[in-house]
Amino acid sequence: EVQLVQSGAEVKKPGESLKISCKGSGYSFTNSWIGWVRQIPGKGLEWMGIIYPGDSETRYSPSFQGQVTISADKSISTAYLQWSSLKASDTAMYYCARHPYNWNCCGMDVWGQGTTVTVSS
Amino acid sequence: DIQMTQSPSSLSASVGDRVTITCRASQSISTYLNWYQQKPGKAPKLLIYAASSFQSGVPSRFSASGFGTDFTLTINSLQPEDFATYYCQQSFSTPLTFGGGTKVEIK
Repeated sequence: EVQLVQSGAEVKKPGESLKISCKGSGYSFTNSWIGWVRQIPGKGLEWMGIIYPGDSETRYSPSFQGQVTISADKSISTAYLQWSSLKASDTAMYYCARHPYNWNCCGMDVWGQGTTVTVSS
Repeated sequence: DIQMTQSPSSLSASVGDRVTITCRASQSISTYLNWYQQKPGKAPKLLIYAASSFQSGVPSRFSASGFGTDFTLTINSLQPEDFATYYCQQSFSTPLTFGGGTKVEIK
């Protein structure tokens, strides 16, 4: 079974750093793009960026460029989303999802369960 | 960035109704258009990719079409499990933008 399993909920203070993870299984992790999507409570989906674990090529939304870092460790089939200095406005649910082929083909077919990030003083 | 505009933002319908959701792109995206369904507290689920291709397991009461800038998702004979929020997403170019969503509620 193809699965993406995300790390657990986080509660952080403003200014703290954070790295959340997304572990793939049941498929060739290096050959599929992984994307990250933000959802602020009660709001819509926002595409943050994608990474190709095979060579770590990364593309960001301009809205998130410089605000987060997307990375991957193909040796353990895991993608990451990290912040160096969290803000209260980063409070949201974060999903990872797989592009089964190229990033422009066929949608995001498998999603992680989501990681809730709460940033509060 | 390509802007995606969905309409309506919400609608109320009854079981058995036919509903149509529209998605418009700010520039031509050929058929690089995907549709997702999201239920409260759950991750989105891919329904349709490439404007009209069904993801495995999607019921045949769903249909989708479009090319260029205008796309539609239709649900024929709405079922209780179809009450959810639906999002379109373009995959023509990065950033892969989503529409604002259409919430389908029970009348």
